[in-house]
Amino acid sequence: QLQLQESGSGLVKPSQTLSLTCAVSGASISSGDHSWSWIRQSPGKGLEWIGYMFRTGTTNYSPSFRSRATISVDRSNSQFSLKLSSVTAADTAVYYCASYSSSSGFDYWGQGTLVTVSS
Amino acid sequence: DIQMTQSPSTLSASVGDRVTITCRASQSISVWLAWYQQKPGKAPNLLIYKVSTLESGVPSRFSGSGSGTEFTLTISSLQPDDFATYYCQQYNTSPYTFGQGTKLEIK
Repeated sequence: QLQLQESGSGLVKPSQTLSLTCAVSGASISSGDHSWSWIRQSPGKGLEWIGYMFRTGTTNYSPSFRSRATISVDRSNSQFSLKLSSVTAADTAVYYCASYSSSSGFDYWGQGTLVTVSS
Repeated sequence: DIQMTQSPSTLSASVGDRVTITCRASQSISVWLAWYQQKPGKAPNLLIYKVSTLESGVPSRFSGSGSGTEFTLTISSLQPDDFATYYCQQYNTSPYTFGQGTKLEIK
């Protein structure tokens, strides 16, 4: 059973970079058909897909985040990461990591981590 | 972006009721639609994918149907554990987008 666990800073200052990591267990991050995704949820905008990285290194970002988001994979530690630059209060949300399959959508999720952007 | 619109936003029902939630896409998404259940403080949980395929472990009282732009999630006989918020999501075209959610409340 695939399991995902987010970690990272819960408080980020405006204009700085948000950094989160997702530890993957129960499956290889380097094989299979899953892509490694980030999704966020806020009261104002609901669920928003940020982007994903496939095992080959191919990335796909939502245009809403393409200029600020970077997703990377650390195969040696079986984890993947999100960096979101130039954050504002509008980036305050619960951030989820999830595995994405082109046949079944977002099939496994982390428990989520709240990130607050505030000075 | 493809807009996903759910109705109703809130649904009040009783245990044992049959309920239906509708999801409309702003353009055709073929069969690439998923439904998720979310409980307070928890991550969304995949219920149904590819319109009507139940994820492993999901009770058979849940079913999905539709194609193109209009889809439904039906719960045949509500159980106490089913009171939650439900989201549809299209994965036909990037960026992948979610509906705004339907909160299923106890009447």
